[in-house]
Amino acid sequence: DTGVSQDPRHKITKRGQNVTFRCDPISEHNRLYWYRQTLGQGPEFLTYFQNEAQLEKSRLLSDRFSAERPKGSFSTLEIQRTEQGDSAMYLCASSFHWGTGDEKLFFGSGTQLSVL
Amino acid sequence: GEDVEQSLFLSVREGDSSVINCTYTDSSSTYLYWYKQEPGAGLQLLTYIFSNMDMKQDQRLTVLLNKKDKHLSLRIADTQTGDSAIYFCAESRANSGGYQKVTFGTGTKLQVIP
Repeated sequence: DTGVSQDPRHKITKRGQNVTFRCDPISEHNRLYWYRQTLGQGPEFLTYFQNEAQLEKSRLLSDRFSAERPKGSFSTLEIQRTEQGDSAMYLCASSFHWGTGDEKLFFGSGTQLSVL
Repeated sequence: GEDVEQSLFLSVREGDSSVINCTYTDSSSTYLYWYKQEPGAGLQLLTYIFSNMDMKQDQRLTVLLNKKDKHLSLRIADTQTGDSAIYFCAESRANSGGYQKVTFGTGTKLQVIP
């Protein structure tokens, strides 16, 4: 297992275009998180899944953002009608977690989005 | 990140100890974590502590938790230049649906001077 993979590593798009990112978690992990990170900030929670169920979507996230994890394995994050403010690093993390125990997150290297 | 706060920057000399601080607001946090992010890389878990503990030591790392004050610290002994990175505090607590969720602080950039 090579860890959490994200694709693409970099994406440059024009304002108003749609973009889709993919995350492949560690295979036995049941949880998958999406975070957004801008320069000088910590990872900002976007959404997360337990298997294929989406547990929560950040209230700060507009309806232009949607995420899926259709078979409980890989996940996609789509941003419609991109805006310059969407420019950021999009991080994916996965974990194996049940109940109220500790949760060790393993992160991918991220997808850097630049909206021109 | 607004529920977990950290100072932005810390500079120490090689060989000294570093202490990175974090405050959080939710007393129901079950676990607290420290992650490290090196330039151009993803976050990597360093250590964590259960909220019922007040201290955990792991080689050069010591985590101290003051649950009453909602204050967490990470001490790095004999700091090396390879420790230069951004350090994030994170907490795990239940969301409105009862599911544990991990949220991160703003990060502290540690600069180690040779």
